[in-house]
Amino acid sequence: DIQMIQFPSTLSASVGDRVTITCWATQSIGTRLAWYQQKARKAPKLLIYKASNLESGVPARFSGSGSGTEFTLTISSLQPDDSATYYCQYYNNYSMYIFGQGTKLEI
Amino acid sequence: EVRLLESGGGSVQPGGSLRLSCAASAFNFNQYAMSWVRQPPGKGLEWVSTISASATDTYYADSVKGRFTISRDNSKNTLFLQLNSLRADDTAIYFCAKTKRQLLRPDYYNYHGLDAWGQGTTVAVSS
Repeated sequence: DIQMIQFPSTLSASVGDRVTITCWATQSIGTRLAWYQQKARKAPKLLIYKASNLESGVPARFSGSGSGTEFTLTISSLQPDDSATYYCQYYNNYSMYIFGQGTKLEI
Repeated sequence: EVRLLESGGGSVQPGGSLRLSCAASAFNFNQYAMSWVRQPPGKGLEWVSTISASATDTYYADSVKGRFTISRDNSKNTLFLQLNSLRADDTAIYFCAKTKRQLLRPDYYNYHGLDAWGQGTTVAVSS
């Protein structure tokens, strides 16, 4: 079974910093990778799909890259509103979804 | 704006049952696969189940297979999740979510994650 592993589990950074979160798949998943942002007591929000495609309405400071087994989410200039937990997700069309364990970003 | 509103959560004893509902609006509900995702207290996200747009295909996580049943009523724009034989580790917030789809060619789509979510309904299983 595919597992998704995120690093780090927690991250502390300052406003204006460039931050990167990494997600590994235990086997190749092509570009079937999404990233979500979840703020406390809120529903998740789709940020990136197909590894590098920015969801409509998401600020351009968010970007994704990677393929196969290694993926990254980058925030180019951290804003106070970016404090949240970030999840990567493998998807197989809509028949299966597997989430990483999450990365909590503190600002 | 797409809206998803879950209901039906509550407190139940181990072995009990609940039926969750998700009322959808502002999109063509009958054209999208829909999913349930849960989040135990203080923990991460776990996919639970997905149903195709026409309800012909259903998919389940191993942890709920045989105990949970997903269904939908396209005439009422509503998604359901029947939870049976509930256990303590089923305690979680349950979110419904809409599949993101991308048209590649006429009548052929690729699917890319979950692009709209409800606010969730809480299920607590305890004796």
